[in-house]
Amino acid sequence: NAGVTQTPKFQVLKTGQSMTLQCAQDMNHEYMSWYRQDPGMGLRLIHYSVGAGITDQGEVPNGYNVSRSTTEDFPLRLLSAAPSQTSVYFCASSYSIVAGGSGYTFGSGTRLTVV
Amino acid sequence: GNSVTQMEGPVTLSEEAFLTINCTYTATGYPSLFWYVQYPGEGLQLLLKATKADDKGSNKGFEATYRKETTSFHLEKGSVQVSDSAVYFCALLRGETSGSRLTFGEGTQLTVNP
Repeated sequence: NAGVTQTPKFQVLKTGQSMTLQCAQDMNHEYMSWYRQDPGMGLRLIHYSVGAGITDQGEVPNGYNVSRSTTEDFPLRLLSAAPSQTSVYFCASSYSIVAGGSGYTFGSGTRLTVV
Repeated sequence: GNSVTQMEGPVTLSEEAFLTINCTYTATGYPSLFWYVQYPGEGLQLLLKATKADDKGSNKGFEATYRKETTSFHLEKGSVQVSDSAVYFCALLRGETSGSRLTFGEGTQLTVNP
């Protein structure tokens, strides 16, 4: 089925550990983003990419790295996890940049707990 | 900068009641506006959208009209069902030279009781 696939669905990390959240889409979308969702704060943009080899920071990039070596994949790396990174993470992709675009397709999320 | 403000929740209604969730925005130019819905344990799904002033987006009985004069995009449904219980997010999309970004409101939790 076409869509955005995120793995893992759940993860518990100890403070200081590193890990990579995976995101893959099979819709040939150029634009991919990572958001975190926290209670009362909605979704906040972490990093985004407008195509393979191109990434940029969003609102809350500190503590996270990304890369985009292929159109399909956009992994999010936590180099040294902190309790403040406990959140639900969503990956989203989009076909069109222009106003009036189709909106984003979201993955089902990764619930991360840092203890 | 761009921002979206939603009415505070949670909102609790009885089945068949009328629903309004307020959304106002701040943005330069002419953004596209969206409502997304998140059912328990799932990711966000696009519910409806509007791309220019006075456009009305509609889907599954929900409607929202892009009002540039009041910078609003309120979500309405005439008769809610238990299955509409979810979190609703208002969002705007403002294309930028370095990439397109969705800006979200805080989300409004809706619970519909039988």
